Amino acid sequence: DGGITQSPKYLFRKEGQNVTLSCEQNLNHDAMYWYRQDPGQGLRLIYYSQIVNDFQKGDIAEGYSVSREKKESFPLTVTSAQKNPTAFYLCASREDRLGNEQFFGPGTRLTVL
Amino acid sequence: AQSVTQLGSHVSVSEGALVLLRCNYSSSVPPYLFWYVQYPNQGLQLLLKYTTGATLVKGINGFEAEFKKSETSFHLTKPSAHMSDAAEYFCAVSYSGGYQKVTFGTGTKLQVIP
Repeated sequence: DGGITQSPKYLFRKEGQNVTLSCEQNLNHDAMYWYRQDPGQGLRLIYYSQIVNDFQKGDIAEGYSVSREKKESFPLTVTSAQKNPTAFYLCASREDRLGNEQFFGPGTRLTVL
Repeated sequence: AQSVTQLGSHVSVSEGALVLLRCNYSSSVPPYLFWYVQYPNQGLQLLLKYTTGATLVKGINGFEAEFKKSETSFHLTKPSAHMSDAAEYFCAVSYSGGYQKVTFGTGTKLQVIP
């Protein structure tokens, strides 16, 4: 089955630790995205990548980093510089054509203690 | 700049009643419009989308939406609510320029009362 996987589903970390969230897709999509979701705020774009080895900051990139070494993979690292990292993180991908929708993974809920 | 406004963060309807979730957008160029549904602790799933052509768009689970350019609206409707419709719904807009950044509304939680 084609789709997007995110792991783990739940993640707990101590304050001050970096943590990496995994996102893999087998849809052969060029574009991939990371969003952060907080109650009442909708989805906010962290980073996006339109092609391998290239990525751009979104609206709230501070404290986060990404890499795009393979078309299928777009991991997100939440660094200790992120002041309020506890949130639900969603990865998405999209075939890069006008009007195409995004496909979302199941999300990772990160809790920093 | 594009933006999306969803009126009502919470909407309650009785089972069998009409569902109406409101979405207004602002975009300087013709938009692409989307409605997604999210169940608790899950990702988003596409309900329907408008790109070009027919302004009344039908989606999954009996939902539909009408693109009204004059009102800059894309409201989501369903004639008869079912308990399984209880979820959070997001309206989103993108456009043909740039990299097709998608802007999401803040979401509307739908409660269905038996």
